[in-house]
Amino acid sequence: EVQLVESGGGLVQPGGSLRLSCAASAFTFRDYDMVWVRQATGKGLEWVSTIGTAGDTYYPDSVKGRFTISRDDAKNSFYLQMNSLRAGDTAVYYCAREQYTSSWTPAGYLDLWGRGILVTVSS
Amino acid sequence: DIQLTQSPSSLSASVGDRVTISCRASQIITTYLNWYQQTPGKAPKLLIYAASNLQRGVPSRFSGSGSGTDFTLTINSLQPEDFATYYCQQSYNNIRTFGQGTAVEIK
Repeated sequence: EVQLVESGGGLVQPGGSLRLSCAASAFTFRDYDMVWVRQATGKGLEWVSTIGTAGDTYYPDSVKGRFTISRDDAKNSFYLQMNSLRAGDTAVYYCAREQYTSSWTPAGYLDLWGRGILVTVSS
Repeated sequence: DIQLTQSPSSLSASVGDRVTISCRASQIITTYLNWYQQTPGKAPKLLIYAASNLQRGVPSRFSGSGSGTDFTLTINSLQPEDFATYYCQQSYNNIRTFGQGTAVEIK
């Protein structure tokens, strides 16, 4: 079955670190850009990071310098290392696959999502 | 960063109604606009990509339109399973953003 499964969430103190993992199955992982998206309780979706097939990475200002995305194509997995965590980082974190249209100027969209994993930053 | 503003933030509708949700971008994004549906406790689900393309397996009562800065998601003949929150998302540049969401509630 084509799927993504997150792991590594939990409770961490402010200023602490946590590493999330996302394991992919039943598709050619190395061919896809991969993405983390988060959602605080009762709030909207927030894009957190993207890693391209060549290892290029992108972040919004809210996590730049604190979060690092990486991938291991041999393990069909990618990761989110989160450092200097704050209460505002408390959220459900989703991993997702980015698909692209087959056009002259490809458009990206998130066609496969994990179930999400909760990260709680609290003392 | 590109800001996406959805309107309304919430709406009440009845089964069988036609519903439209708008998404306005802070700059031109051509057709780099996607729509997702999320029900409570679940991951988002892709409905429409590149402004007007229906994702495989999504019912044809969902449609998307627009280009430039103004986009619309339309649900024809609202069904009970369509009561959810809907988000737009832009992929015009590498700094992706989502709209704040539109909650579709039962009247």
